[in-house]
Amino acid sequence: GAVVSQHPSRVICKSGTSVKIECRSLDFQATTMFWYRQFPKKSLMLMATSNEGSKATYEQGVEKDKFLINHASLTLSTLTVTSAHPEDSSFYICSASPWRGPETQYFGPGTRLLVL
Amino acid sequence: GIQVEQSPPDLILQEGANSTLRCNFSDSVNNLQWFHQNPWGQLINLFYIPSGTKQNGRLSATTVATERYSLLYISSSQTTDSGVYFCAGGGNQFYFGTGTSLTVIP
Repeated sequence: GAVVSQHPSRVICKSGTSVKIECRSLDFQATTMFWYRQFPKKSLMLMATSNEGSKATYEQGVEKDKFLINHASLTLSTLTVTSAHPEDSSFYICSASPWRGPETQYFGPGTRLLVL
Repeated sequence: GIQVEQSPPDLILQEGANSTLRCNFSDSVNNLQWFHQNPWGQLINLFYIPSGTKQNGRLSATTVATERYSLLYISSSQTTDSGVYFCAGGGNQFYFGTGTSLTVIP
């Protein structure tokens, strides 16, 4: 149980285009979903926290107009990188928790984004 | 935010050896988890352990909340244990540690 999927697993796009990443909890209802960004050989940096039906809470320094997060249902959250640039290239990981909080969060497999 | 320091940053073990990984927090945390990130990037929950001791097979973890640290023990290491181990903790959000990169050689 507690499976989280992400789609796509990897994406290459041209600079200036927008990319949408989906995060789904397959066998539980995710009250809270988290989006992280990980640079090569670095730790995970929390980008935002979203609760179903509410606006996402962004961490300091994360541009909310650039990284649009929508938690439309208890099983789906999306991250849209708008007008992507090469510096947005990274490994994006979502996680989901059945509770309002980070305890026992389950992670998706990640999405590798390369912006050319 | 909370600073999370992990040690050692890198570790190379011979298969069958034991090891201890440490995680120090700059402030008290209500939630604490250990994760293993495999070479493909997938994060796997190992333990949710805000306090006390837990064991799961060859792995065990101990958190001393009053002293703001946690330990992860790996016994009889196997090559499949290779990867990066993260601890993370916090209150309403998680702060991730810097990670320990473990390589187990046959």
